[in-house]
Amino acid sequence: EVQLVESGGGLVQPGRSLRLSCAASGFSFDDYSMHWVRQAPGKGLEWVSGINWNGGTLDYADSVKGRFTISRDNAKSSLYLQMNSLRAEDMAFYYCVKDRAGTLHGAMDVWGQGTTVTVSS
Amino acid sequence: DIQMTQSPSSLSASVGDRVTISCQASQDIRYFLNWHQQKSGKGPKVLIYDASSLQTGVPTRFGGSGSGTNFTLTIFSLQPEDIATYYCQQYHKLPLSFGGGTKVEI
Repeated sequence: EVQLVESGGGLVQPGRSLRLSCAASGFSFDDYSMHWVRQAPGKGLEWVSGINWNGGTLDYADSVKGRFTISRDNAKSSLYLQMNSLRAEDMAFYYCVKDRAGTLHGAMDVWGQGTTVTVSS
Repeated sequence: DIQMTQSPSSLSASVGDRVTISCQASQDIRYFLNWHQQKSGKGPKVLIYDASSLQTGVPTRFGGSGSGTNFTLTIFSLQPEDIATYYCQQYHKLPLSFGGGTKVEI
């Protein structure tokens, strides 16, 4: 069974950093692209970032470009999101999502349960 | 960037009703569309991919159709467990984008 388990969320002050992790199991992690998607309280879904199977292709939403960095460690079957210069508008539930393809396509097929990021002083 | 517009934003129907949710893309996305279901307090789940293909394990009362710019999610016979918010999502071009969601109530 495919499982994605996010961790690393928490309360952080504006301007500070946080690193999210996603532990994957149940599939060949290094065959697939991965994504981070977030959902602000009471709002809809927003794609944040994606990375292809080997980390050679990355992309970001304009709202996080220059502040967030996506990465992966295929040996550990893990996905990461380094979030710097956090703002109040970054407060959200963050989901790790598996793609159907190795190329950065966006055909999401399995979601994790998410981790909460709260940005407040 | 591609904008995705869903309608209606919410609907109320009875058990056994046929429910239709629409999604319109701001440009041609061919068939590169997912439908996601999110139940209250849970993470989303993929129902439909490639506009009309049913994800493994999803009940056959769910169906997707459309191509180009206009797409539809149909629940052929609404069940109590279908209470959720439904989102369309395009993957024709990056950045990926979602519709605003349709909340389905009974």
